[in-house]
Amino acid sequence: DAKTTQPTSMDCAEGRAANLPCNHSTISGNEYVYWYRQIHSQGPQYIIHGLKNNETNEMASLIITEDRKSSTLILPHATLRDTAVYYCIVRDTGGTSYGKLTFGQGTILTVHP
Amino acid sequence: KAGVTQTPRYLIKTRGQQVTLSCSPISGHRSVSWYQQTPGQGLQFLFEYFSETQRNKGNFPGRFSGRQFSNSRSEMNVSTLELGDSALYLCASSLQPQHFGDGTRLSIL
Repeated sequence: DAKTTQPTSMDCAEGRAANLPCNHSTISGNEYVYWYRQIHSQGPQYIIHGLKNNETNEMASLIITEDRKSSTLILPHATLRDTAVYYCIVRDTGGTSYGKLTFGQGTILTVHP
Repeated sequence: KAGVTQTPRYLIKTRGQQVTLSCSPISGHRSVSWYQQTPGQGLQFLFEYFSETQRNKGNFPGRFSGRQFSNSRSEMNVSTLELGDSALYLCASSLQPQHFGDGTRLSIL
């Protein structure tokens, strides 16, 4: 699976949009971009994933650049409960990647009142 | 719809003992993956089971093993526990994407 690079930490004011970047310059054509977050003492929570089109769900939006070498997770109106570690993961869905997510260090997002 | 259930939530063992952790996946999910999370190494993949067969394996010693039952419930076992095995052990079930339980926190004294 391709390697990802994320900033170590970010801050955001409550009510504002949080934009979390991720670089995945070695992504291959059949690899998806997944985002998870982990709130202290809980298991990782799935947020969103995409292949090449932008995606939106009730939690967030995922913007993937046309060359697919980077992406941005957008939380449109951050709340204090969005404070968590956010992981960007690139993975193939078959072969040696069966059932495996490769987690990096993630971005610690702190939402301030 | 019930989520992924892991038991027990907390466990304390001593060096040299063995431990068995349990994971019940979301109903209908046939794939179960296990991960170890430590402050130093982060989240690391242990192994994945699908239809009672281990389909993928991470880089952990043979002391770490698992199995899956016909109802998709899975167990992982760690033998001859070491201090470094203290960690949060997470289970995820998948029909794409993976959904995680809240883990079992294992402490080795």
